[in-house]
Amino acid sequence: TQLLEQSPQFLSIQEGENLTVYCNSSSVFSSLQWYRQEPGEGPVLLVTVVTGGEVKKLKRLTFQFGDARKDSSLHITAAQPGDTGLYLCAGVGTDKLIFGTGTRLQVFP
Amino acid sequence: DAGITQSPRYKITETGRQVTLMCHQTWSHSYMFWYRQDLGHGLRLIYYSAAADITDKGEVPDGYVVSRSKTENFPLTLESATRSQTSVYFCASSESWYGYTFGSGTRLTVV
Repeated sequence: TQLLEQSPQFLSIQEGENLTVYCNSSSVFSSLQWYRQEPGEGPVLLVTVVTGGEVKKLKRLTFQFGDARKDSSLHITAAQPGDTGLYLCAGVGTDKLIFGTGTRLQVFP
Repeated sequence: DAGITQSPRYKITETGRQVTLMCHQTWSHSYMFWYRQDLGHGLRLIYYSAAADITDKGEVPDGYVVSRSKTENFPLTLESATRSQTSVYFCASSESWYGYTFGSGTRLTVV
């Protein structure tokens, strides 16, 4: 069974701080995605990383795919209250998407 | 408007009753999925469909039935609702195995 563990589970920070969320697995994935989910809504796709070692930037968000394609990280620079939400990584498995356990981020003004 | 819509947004039903959650997408995406989201378990796949008239079980299919007679619709039926099926249900669609677009969810409470 392919599992994706995210850490930390919960993160509460002040506006302006930097943070990193980790997504780890013992399995290799052909690609990995990150989603953000706001309260009362479905997850929304942020990015897909495909190549081992790949780094993608989306404004203040930096996503990295591990060299061995087993892990990924999401770094947010100068967090803002609008970044608050549940962050989910998802690995593309053999025939379906495997979702991680999620990191709940709260950014206080 | 183009998109993926789920109905109802909220539903309360009694144990033992049959209830159907609706999902409609306007993109003609081939793939459609049903997930449930529970605290401590994350998103778990119930059923998925690769095309009209093709469906397959996911991780937690017991107690659920799906059908897909038209590409745009993918209803999920709880044949005899149980309290353990209280959850938030999300439908998603995609042109491939990844890059899902999710609906806004249905919050189901079984009493």
